Amino acid sequence: QQQVKQSPQSLIVQKGGISIINCAYENTAFDYFPWYQQFPGKGPALLIAIRPDVSEKKEGRFTISFNKSAKQFSLHIMDSQPGDSATYFCAARRDTGTASKLTFGTGTRLQVTL
Amino acid sequence: KAGVTQTPRYLIKTRGQQVTLSCSPISGHRSVSWYQQTPGQGLQFLFEYFSETQRNKGNFPGRFSGRQFSNSRSEMNVSTLELGDSALYLCASSLYRGETEAFFGQGTRLTVV
Repeated sequence: QQQVKQSPQSLIVQKGGISIINCAYENTAFDYFPWYQQFPGKGPALLIAIRPDVSEKKEGRFTISFNKSAKQFSLHIMDSQPGDSATYFCAARRDTGTASKLTFGTGTRLQVTL
Repeated sequence: KAGVTQTPRYLIKTRGQQVTLSCSPISGHRSVSWYQQTPGQGLQFLFEYFSETQRNKGNFPGRFSGRQFSNSRSEMNVSTLELGDSALYLCASSLYRGETEAFFGQGTRLTVV
């Protein structure tokens, strides 16, 4: 059962454009929503994260928008650059107090063209 | 500060064999989690260890096991390897259990032939 749905599967954006990746979740017990960036041959690297009591968080060119009532969150990459070309994963964490784990979306392969 | 170190980086094993993968977390980090990454299933949670105890386990068969040592280093073992076990195995470390920021290693690429 996939608890975090991510779209689109792939995305091509021109340099300078805005890249938008969307995720939706089902479990209201999730309490932390990170985005990871992964380059080929590397492990995922934390990009930016948000908690459900905040509707938006911005770090440089990266912004997370969070809609708790709709159970959706999205990543916006402003002024996209060729170096942003990578696979992006959204994730959601559930911490029960004795155990925690991240549930990942299926990933979005972003290509930024010149 | 050194990052998460996973060894070996690449492994080729034969069906039916067993394999042990190693993960050294960031110095001072006490929580280690393991994930399996495949093109078809994406990133899936295997286990979480904290203070040498398994705190959480994903939906994987009993052939997948792990442990954590007193220095927080962790190993995972897969017995009776199947072709479908071919994947990138990733380890992530956090300062404390439930700590929000998890840092991933580069992974071990396991190929089962």
